[in-house]
Amino acid sequence: DQQVKQNSPSLSVQEGRISILNCDYTNSMFDYFLWYKKYPAEGPTFLISISSIKDKNEDGRFTVFLNKSAKHLSLHIVPSQPGDSAVYFCAASAVKDNFNKFYFGSGTKLNVKP
Amino acid sequence: EAQVTQNPRYLITVTGKKLTVTCSQNMNHEYMSWYRQDPGLGLRQIYYSMNVEVTDKGDVPEGYKVSRKEKRNFPLILESPSPNQTSLYFCASSLRRVIRTSYYEQYFGPGTRLTVT
Repeated sequence: DQQVKQNSPSLSVQEGRISILNCDYTNSMFDYFLWYKKYPAEGPTFLISISSIKDKNEDGRFTVFLNKSAKHLSLHIVPSQPGDSAVYFCAASAVKDNFNKFYFGSGTKLNVKP
Repeated sequence: EAQVTQNPRYLITVTGKKLTVTCSQNMNHEYMSWYRQDPGLGLRQIYYSMNVEVTDKGDVPEGYKVSRKEKRNFPLILESPSPNQTSLYFCASSLRRVIRTSYYEQYFGPGTRLTVT
């Protein structure tokens, strides 16, 4: 049973517009959330994160929003660029017995059209 | 350069022939982990290790073994590979989170695409 879900397998956006990628989770013990970006033939690379004590974190064109009551996370990319075309994974972790286990969603493939 | 390396990058093998995928990191990270990526399922954790000689099962450990004899290395062993282990495998490492207010992202290797026929 997946504890982190990305219900949109793909998203297509015009260059310059906003991309919004969504993620839902079920485990209320998650307290750290991350977004990873993955290009073909490469490993995922860290993009941005947020802890559960915050509801927003911004880094340049990327902003992550956390709605704890809805158990929902979103990544906003503004403005979107063709180089943003990649698969985006949402991930979450919770401190459990001093170990740090990450749970990943199934990914959303973003296509930014020029 | 800080990195996680995996070898081989591509491997085609036959059912039952033991294989090892190596993983090495140069960041002195305590925590290391193996994932497999399958279409529609995202990244699923196979095994993880908190430190040398400390390993534990992830969500899909069946058919896999690991060892952590040195801090930098975390090989994944398939004793008797089967076609359902055909997948894309990623190794990852991070600092170990020991207090609630410490947060660390994982660094991933480039992946190993395994095909078992």
